[in-house]
Amino acid sequence: DTGVSQDPRHKITKRGQNVTFRCDPISEHNRLYWYRQTLGQGPEFLTYFQNEAQLEKSRLLSDRFSAERPKGSFSTLEIQRTEQGDSAMYLCASSLSTANYGYTFGSGTRLTVV
Amino acid sequence: GNSVTQMEGPVTLSEEAFLTINCTYTATGYPSLFWYVQYPGEGLQLLLKATKADDKGSNKGFEATYRKETTSFHLEKGSVQVSDSAVYFCALKTDSNYQLIWGAGTKLIIKP
Repeated sequence: DTGVSQDPRHKITKRGQNVTFRCDPISEHNRLYWYRQTLGQGPEFLTYFQNEAQLEKSRLLSDRFSAERPKGSFSTLEIQRTEQGDSAMYLCASSLSTANYGYTFGSGTRLTVV
Repeated sequence: GNSVTQMEGPVTLSEEAFLTINCTYTATGYPSLFWYVQYPGEGLQLLLKATKADDKGSNKGFEATYRKETTSFHLEKGSVQVSDSAVYFCALKTDSNYQLIWGAGTKLIIKP
């Protein structure tokens, strides 16, 4: 078990471009979460999957953001028409379904929009 | 609703000092409680957890006891090191909610 993997670690993009991030969760974890974190802040929930089903999407998330988890394995997060305010660390986490099981986070993808 | 309150940082200590970072919570039911640590430029790592009242979570010299009577889960370490410098997040999770509810984080700075 190699933990949760995220790719790329860093992404610099020009405003208006589209970007896509990938997350590979721990294989036996059925839940997958995307969070966003800006400097000095705690994680902000973006969206959540149970297996391949996207069960919730934050109301803070604009229509430019979309996430998929085909076949209930890896997940992708796409941001269309990036804006400077999208610059942040994007964190992926996975877990089992039980309440007493914490999340395992990946190392994150740091996005810089210039 | 459910919430987590942490002491504000930064907390600055000298090496080998005793550490306490306060965390209190509000929750319906019986939450599980967690401490996560984030080193500079890295993702979040689970440091320790406790799933029921009076449980003590421990890891890497850190401890926290689930106190239902005071709704607290304070993080302690007897002798901190420079390498403990990081941001520490307290969080809770309930049976009825898949989400972790996060505190704002406490930045810890350890000076040699």
